[in-house]
This record gives sequence, structure tokens and C-alpha cells, in this order.
Amino acid sequence: EAGVTQFPSHSVIEKGQTVTLRCDPISGHDNLYWYRRVMGKEIKFLLHFVKESKQDESGMPNNRFLAERTGGTYSTLKVQPAELEDSGVYFCASRREGSYNEQFFGPGTRLTVL
Amino acid sequence: GNSVTQMEGPVTLSEEAFLTINCTYTATGYPSLFWYVQYPGEGLQLLLKATKADDKGSNKGFEATYRKETTSFHLEKGSVQVSDSAVYFCALSLVQTGANNLFFGTGTRLTVIP
Repeated sequence: EAGVTQFPSHSVIEKGQTVTLRCDPISGHDNLYWYRRVMGKEIKFLLHFVKESKQDESGMPNNRFLAERTGGTYSTLKVQPAELEDSGVYFCASRREGSYNEQFFGPGTRLTVL
Repeated sequence: GNSVTQMEGPVTLSEEAFLTINCTYTATGYPSLFWYVQYPGEGLQLLLKATKADDKGSNKGFEATYRKETTSFHLEKGSVQVSDSAVYFCALSLVQTGANNLFFGTGTRLTVIP
């Protein structure tokens, strides 16, 4: 079974530019989560999809962040326009419905905003 | 609110030394507790978990016991190896809320030297 994949692994952009991160969950996992780790701090929850619906987006920092999951398969997280404080590692995780205790994480996308 | 506090790193140990990484939590409900590990260049992997008080999670020689009275979930290993060098994250989730998103600590970087 393929794991959670994320693309790109690294992205370096300038302040004001747009970046789109992609996450492909494990096949059949209806639940998809985005998290972010800013340098040296804790990993923080951003949002949770169940299939294509946003279940909880309480962790999204502001309206410059837009997440989508069309068709309930892969998800994208767009940052527009990017700011310096958006730099960090963005993790995606997926979970099978009914499996309440284990989320499977991708390798993360390291975003650097200059 | 919900939060996790874990021992600040970095921690450097010699091979075969005893490891303890402290983790305490606050939660608005009855949490499940986790330790995740991130090896260099890889994503987060679930190391062990415990879902109720006095449960002991164990894996790869690591252990942690869910202590409700002290709200703790300390990670221990009797004899560390160089291959254990990684960043360790303590986390909790509240299954009852249905969202199941994880609350993480800041991570503790462990380096084991031969």
C-alpha cells in the first residue's frame, strides 16, 4: 500500500507569490488533515476534510490559505499571497474512517518564503 | 484548552544509554496519547500509542505509560542505538469530538553517538 505523498518536497518563493502544495492520501482514506510546523515550534492543525467536505478548518491562520479536495481524493493547499511567516513544513495526514487512532503522515513540504 | 508540553532538546546520548523524554498534557476531554517519530528526511511515523489510563504503549524497545493522575506520557528506552536518532513528538487527540485532529508538542531532537 502506497503511503501519503506530498509535492513538492521543497519550495522557495518570494513574498507576495503564490504557492500550491499537493497531498495524495492513502487510497480509501476519507479523512485528510493538513498540519504546519513553523521552525522550532509545535506542529499545529490547520484543517480536516472528510471526503470532499471541510469538517474543521479552525486552524487555518487567515484567508490567504485555501484548501480544496475536489472529488475527495487528493488535496491542495494554496497560499496567496505568501508572507514571510508562512515559512515552515506543511504536513498532510490521512486516516481511514473508523480507525480513530492512527493518522498516516506524508514526508512534508518545506516552504521557505524570502 | 488542549496542549502538550514536552522536554526541550536537543538530547545527545551515547549508544546504550537510557532515554527519557518527558511529556505532559492538558485536555478538555479524555484524550488518546501518542508518540510520533520523524527520522531524517522522512515523514512522521507513529511510534506508539495509548488510549486509556494505565495503558502502556510499546514499540521498537520504546515504552510510554498513560498516567492520568499526573497527566503524563513519558517516553523511555532502556538502551538507545544510533539508529534511534530522530525527532520525537508527543501528541494527543480527542476521539470523542469526532474530528480526531492531533495536538502536538514542540518535538525533541535526539542524537545518539557511537
